[in-house]
Amino acid sequence: AQTVTQSQPEMSVQEAETVTLSCTYDTSENNYYLFWYKQPPSRQMILVIRQEAYKQQNATENRFSVNFQKAAKSFSLKISDSQLGDTAMYFCARLVRSGANSKLTFGKGITLSVRP
Amino acid sequence: EPEVTQTPSHQVTQMGQEVILRCVPISNHLYFYWYRQILGQKVEFLVSFYNNEISEKSEIFDDQFSVERPDGSNFTLKIRSTKLEDSAMYFCASSVWGENQPQHFGDGTRLSIL
Repeated sequence: AQTVTQSQPEMSVQEAETVTLSCTYDTSENNYYLFWYKQPPSRQMILVIRQEAYKQQNATENRFSVNFQKAAKSFSLKISDSQLGDTAMYFCARLVRSGANSKLTFGKGITLSVRP
Repeated sequence: EPEVTQTPSHQVTQMGQEVILRCVPISNHLYFYWYRQILGQKVEFLVSFYNNEISEKSEIFDDQFSVERPDGSNFTLKIRSTKLEDSAMYFCASSVWGENQPQHFGDGTRLSIL
């Protein structure tokens, strides 16, 4: 099954603190792509960060970084120096390929609240 | 930075009516997608489109749904006879290529069926 699992429905963090959002996935592929998307209350879907499975180095985008554990099929998102604007729903997603086509399979999401 | 734009932002329609959701993908992108998010649930893939034809569709994308790229810029999703359960947020996305490229999402159209 091509599933993406986010087992934590919600988390809360104090402003300026660090928080880690968990995600696990299932795949039989050796090379694949993983993403974290942010959905603020306005309900846009904003790409936060992506990880290519064949790259051993964890992806980093400013305050956002991932801890990619390929053997464990784990892909967690770390947000450093949390800001009030980070309050949003966060979705983990995997790109599922079918020939030359691809589609995103999303987890259920986690609601992150940043407290002032 | 180029964006995917969707119109309208909110559509209210009577059950049984036809609705067309519009999207303008990023101009140099070749692959286009529609996703759906029912309130409180995860985002689900509906359909992908490339070279003026459907590449892949999910089981949700039944005969009531259709997609079209009527000109060089617009990409539309039509629901022929809407049902209450079609109420959801509909996201359009595009990518440069279909394989291994990040998909850029529009702001979504909130569809409310009465």
